[in-house]
Amino acid sequence: RKEVEQDPGPFNVPEGATVAFNCTYSNSASQSFFWYRQDCRKEPKLLMSVYSSGNEDGRFTAQLNRASQYISLLIRDSKLSDSATYLCVVYNFNKFYFGSGTKLNVKP
Amino acid sequence: GAGVSQSPSNKVTEKGKDVELRCDPISGHTALYWYRQSLGQGLEFLIYFQGNSAPDKSGLPSDRFSAERTGGSVSTLTIQRTQQEDSAVYLCASSLFVDGYTFGSGTRLTVV
Repeated sequence: RKEVEQDPGPFNVPEGATVAFNCTYSNSASQSFFWYRQDCRKEPKLLMSVYSSGNEDGRFTAQLNRASQYISLLIRDSKLSDSATYLCVVYNFNKFYFGSGTKLNVKP
Repeated sequence: GAGVSQSPSNKVTEKGKDVELRCDPISGHTALYWYRQSLGQGLEFLIYFQGNSAPDKSGLPSDRFSAERTGGSVSTLTIQRTQQEDSAVYLCASSLFVDGYTFGSGTRLTVV
């Protein structure tokens, strides 16, 4: 079983829509959680950390559910520039485990 | 430097040749990771260095792959006798703390 699993998508949404991604992780002892964004042919970049109490950064909200072992990312009022692949990342005993990413296409 | 620097940015090599990929982490970052990413795929962990500890090589796909990190700074990933399936983007990342993880822009390796 993979450490981190994500729906690969693509999610095709119109501008202004709200979209949510989930990601599940297998190790209940996982320590830290992140969402990274990767644009086509570019390196991944940190979008936001995910805290136990949930956290928000502008249009982006991240949630952690330890009981069910998943994290989520909610994007409100989608912009064309949000089109990218969103990688779920779990940190566990000195290793970062990356999901294979969820592709988002925001259409005009 | 300001970011993680990788060189070369692109490398085309003939099957069977050896290649060396270089990573210059952010100054002071004690942790350094190598990943590879095939087209349209997720990141595959290769190797992890932390300070002076023995590296975690558990992700290296075969004994043709090796990496070293000199002086706790620059790292070199070496692939011997390259095969076509080695073609991928090789990404290096460094961090000091867990949430300071920064990637370089990668080396795109093409084996022909």
